[in-house]
Amino acid sequence: EADIYQTPRYLVIGTGKKITLECSQTMGHDKMYWYQQDPGMELHLIHYSYGVNSTEKGDLSSESTVSRIRTEHFPLTLESARPSHTSQYLCASSDRWGGPYEQYFGPGTRLTVT
Amino acid sequence: KNQVEQSPQSLIILEGKNCTLQCNYTVSPFSNLRWYKQDTGRGPVSLTIMTFSENTKSNGRYTATLDADTKQSSLHITASQLSDSASYICVVSDRGSTLGRLYFGRGTQLTVWP
Repeated sequence: EADIYQTPRYLVIGTGKKITLECSQTMGHDKMYWYQQDPGMELHLIHYSYGVNSTEKGDLSSESTVSRIRTEHFPLTLESARPSHTSQYLCASSDRWGGPYEQYFGPGTRLTVT
Repeated sequence: KNQVEQSPQSLIILEGKNCTLQCNYTVSPFSNLRWYKQDTGRGPVSLTIMTFSENTKSNGRYTATLDADTKQSSLHITASQLSDSASYICVVSDRGSTLGRLYFGRGTQLTVWP
């Protein structure tokens, strides 16, 4: 099993709250990713990072923001949660990209905004 | 438009039986194709990664095939076990970008009954 961790695993929170989803990996990977997945649907890339102090938006527009201050840590923040943010959020990492690189996923955070 | 289509959407089989899952893609230019297994409430775990030059790859009871000419792949599961119950996701990577963009299918939900 990959050494990539996400906390919390489940979160139920009220509208308007600020939340931070944590993701950390101990593999020393430079590349990290955040995906959003709704039930029965495909994963959508919402943020990625080349390395420390480098972040980019993915293909799916998201109101969340990310930061990468340390190699091993890639938190995702929602300043004001809304019911439309209810989804599963998956963090992943890889040691490279391009070609048949391996991407390792965390267990996910199931977010419910009431 | 780059897409990954999987069939069937869901499948129920009896323990010990074999099954084959299908994946058709339109991603171009093609780099590689992956199959992931995603248990309920968990992140995806890689089963196989195949490049253009590979037309079959095995991982235990899982065998993936790739026909890059017809842009089709299949995942064959032999002697199914209860623990094979999961969603199987086909993912295709392009080589048209530095990132090696991943295109995800919606998955086939496999249920193995005793």
